[in-house]
Formats: sequence, C-alpha cells, structure tokens
Amino acid sequence: RKEVEQDPGPFNVPEGATVAFNCTYSNSASQSFFWYRQDCRKEPKLLMSVYSSGNEDGRFTAQLNRASQYISLLIRDSKLSDSATYLCVVKAGGSYIPTFGRGTSLIVHP
Amino acid sequence: DADVTQTPRNRITKTGKRIMLECSQTKGHDRMYWYRQDPGLGLQLIYYSFDVKDINKGEISDGYSVSRQAQAKFSLSLESAIPNQTALYFCATSQDGVGGYTFGSGTRLTVV
Repeated sequence: RKEVEQDPGPFNVPEGATVAFNCTYSNSASQSFFWYRQDCRKEPKLLMSVYSSGNEDGRFTAQLNRASQYISLLIRDSKLSDSATYLCVVKAGGSYIPTFGRGTSLIVHP
Repeated sequence: DADVTQTPRNRITKTGKRIMLECSQTKGHDRMYWYRQDPGLGLQLIYYSFDVKDINKGEISDGYSVSRQAQAKFSLSLESAIPNQTALYFCATSQDGVGGYTFGSGTRLTVV
C-alpha cells in the first residue's frame, strides 16, 4: 500500500459545483497535513494546512479523519480558475521529510 | 524576486554530460530539498539537507549528487546525464517541517 494515496481523477465538474477529494495515508503516526495546488508545469503551492478540528478558507474546507486515516478537501462554488492538480502532503511525527500524494486532477468547465 | 529561485529554467543536454541545477532562497529556511517530477509519478525526493553540514539521500539519489554551499544555496548535479533523467526538477525549502514547503519554479531538463 502506498503511503499516501489519491484518486488521480480527473474530476470534471461544472462551474458552481461542489467537489470533494480524499487522500488516505498509511502511517498512523502522521502529524502534519497539507493540501497543495499545482497548475500544469508549474510549482506546487500551498493551498492550506489541515488541522485536527478541520479548517476553512473561503470556498475551501479541509478536514482530517484520524480514525480512518484520511484528509479531505471540499471546494464549494467551483470556479474555472480552480482547475488544477491538488496534492496532499503528509508528514509523520519524528519524520524529517514529507510524503506527497500523486495528485487529483480537477477540471472545472463552463 | 521569488523566495526560491532555480536556474536554469530550461535545459537541454546530451547524454553523458555533467550538469548542475542551482537553487537559492531568501526565506531564511534551514531545510532544503530536491525533487523530480515525472508525469503520473508525483514528486520523488532526490536529496535533502537540514543545514550546511547535513546532506541526506532521498528515495532516488542514484545518479545525482548535491552540494549545500550556504544556508541559502543548494545545488543538484547530474554527474553523467542519461535520458531517463529527463524530468521537471523542483527545489523546495521549509523551516521546521511543521509548516508548509515553498517550491521554486522548477527546472525542465531534457537529456537527449
């Protein structure tokens, strides 16, 4: 089992739709979680950290489910500009390096 | 100016040539990383460094070497480039690993 798994998609949604992605992780000692956004051929950019109690930033909501070992990203009112690949990142406590998922592709169409 | 700068942005080189990719940062972060990204494979860690005297191999270090010349500079070398090293290379930095990671714009390397 891969350490961090994501559905590669693509998720193809119309503007205004709500879409959610999950990311599962295998290491129960994981302590830090992030969602990154990557546009085609560009560098990944931090979208948001994921906190234990869940957190929201505008149209984006991130949640952590430790019992089932997954994090989620919910995007409400999708915009064309949300089209990108979304990477989840997990770091175990005591580990020095993060583990990146392969990403989930989102395509928002008019 | 970008917080993390990579040079060159694009490079085409021939098989067997030695090539160096450079990364410099103005964030004052201690930790620096080199990743490669291939389509469908995600980011793979090549090397990482937590300070000037600390160098560690990542999951795919064979065929690569690095040098941490200063806190702000971390370079990646391909000693003898081969075609399957054609990829997009990213440098990244972080302060303590708890916060996020800041990436450079990437170097697109093609080995012919």
